[in-house]
Amino acid sequence: NAGVMQNPRHLVRRRGQEARLRCSPMKGHSHVYWYRQLPEEGLKFMVYLQKENIIDESGMPKERFSAEFPKEGPSILRIQQVVRGDSAAYFCASSPQGSISTEAFFGQGTRLTVV
Amino acid sequence: GQSLEQPSEVTAVEGAIVQINCTYQTSGFYGLSWYQQHDGGAPTFLSYNALDGLEETGRFSSFLSRSDSYGYLLLQELQMKDSASYFCAVRGTDKLIFGTGTRLQVFP
Repeated sequence: NAGVMQNPRHLVRRRGQEARLRCSPMKGHSHVYWYRQLPEEGLKFMVYLQKENIIDESGMPKERFSAEFPKEGPSILRIQQVVRGDSAAYFCASSPQGSISTEAFFGQGTRLTVV
Repeated sequence: GQSLEQPSEVTAVEGAIVQINCTYQTSGFYGLSWYQQHDGGAPTFLSYNALDGLEETGRFSSFLSRSDSYGYLLLQELQMKDSASYFCAVRGTDKLIFGTGTRLQVFP
C-alpha cells in the first residue's frame, strides 16, 4: 500500500519557466492538500481539493499559481512564470473522505529551485 | 485569524526529558496535532488531542487544555534520532494550520 507519492523530488527551473508538481494520494484517499515550506519555516496551507473540485484555495497566491485534481490521475500544482521567491519545498498530504482526518499523510515533497 | 506559537529551538542531552509548548489562537478548533520532520524529510504524524488531557504513545506524550488554548509535546528518554523539527498543528474545519516549528537538538 503505497503512501502519498510526489514527483519530481527535485525540480530546477529558470525564472519565467513553468513548474508542474504532481501528487498521487494514498489509495482510497480522495482529498488532497498542498502546503509550501520555506527554509527554516513551517508549512503554509495553499489549497484543498477533492476530485474535480477546489474546496479551499485561501492560501494560494492570486496570480501564477493553480491546482487541479482531475477525475483520473494525480493532483497537479502549477506555477507559471516562476520567480526566485517560489523556491521552496512543496508538500502534498491526503486524507480519506470528509475533512482532513486526525492524521494527515504527507508525501516526500518536491523541492523547487528557481535559478 | 489563526496563529500558533512555539519556541524556535530547544536543546537537550540523550536520556533527558523535553517539553515543547504550543499556544494557539483559531476561529475553529477540532484538535491539536503534532508532527515530526527531519531535515529534508516529510512531516510525519506523532499524536493528536481532541479533548483535554494527556495522550501517551511510547516515549512521546501530548497534552491539551482547550480552555487555555495550550498544548505540549513531551519527549522522554531522548535519543539522538529525535533531533528534528516538531510542529504543532490545529485542525480547523477543513485543513491543518501549522505552527512555525521547534528545532530540537539532542546532544550526546
